[in-house]
Amino acid sequence: AQRVTQPEKLLSVFKGAPVELKCNYSYSGSPELFWYVQYSRQRLQLLLRHISRESIKGFTADLNKGETSFHLKKPFAQEEDSAMYYCALLTGGGNKLTFGTGTQLKVEL
Amino acid sequence: DAGVTQSPTHLIKTRGQQVTLRCSPKSGHDTVSWYQQALGQGPQFIFQYYEEEERQRGNFPDRFSGHQFPNYSSELNVNALLLGDSALYLCASSPADRDKVTQYFGPGTRLTVL
Repeated sequence: AQRVTQPEKLLSVFKGAPVELKCNYSYSGSPELFWYVQYSRQRLQLLLRHISRESIKGFTADLNKGETSFHLKKPFAQEEDSAMYYCALLTGGGNKLTFGTGTQLKVEL
Repeated sequence: DAGVTQSPTHLIKTRGQQVTLRCSPKSGHDTVSWYQQALGQGPQFIFQYYEEEERQRGNFPDRFSGHQFPNYSSELNVNALLLGDSALYLCASSPADRDKVTQYFGPGTRLTVL
């Protein structure tokens, strides 16, 4: 069965420090992975999708099939990056998102 | 485009009652998925509707049912409510195009079962 693991419930970093939010997945098929972000009092929104290979708001994520990981990285954290981040795996023929439990990122001044 | 909209915002029910939640997809989207998000957890897939039919279902009991209308809007119905059904219910829409399967989420309906 598919599973997404985000081992850190809370990650606290100082402004300007590098950020890495960890995500590991378990899936027998070809994975399609996403990072979603939820800012305070806002809806869940797409941050990036691995197929796009984009950098959004300075964040990047590389799919490592050997390590079954899709870690989210940013070289220099900003205060506005404080939010809840969810890693998600698309399965079921593209119909179902399986989410991790999320990591709360807190960027301190 | 207001994006995905959901109603109501909040709802309080008692055990054993039935509830209906509503969702309007983003303009141009024809596929609607429903998720349950319990406190401190990530969203869990309930089911997905496409062409007015349930296309896929997660691990939820039959008390959870849904419907999709010709205008692509959708309802989630939960019967015989349990305390454990208290959660944020999220609706997500996506286009049918397989290359554009990104799901866009609504603000959610907070259901409290007393």
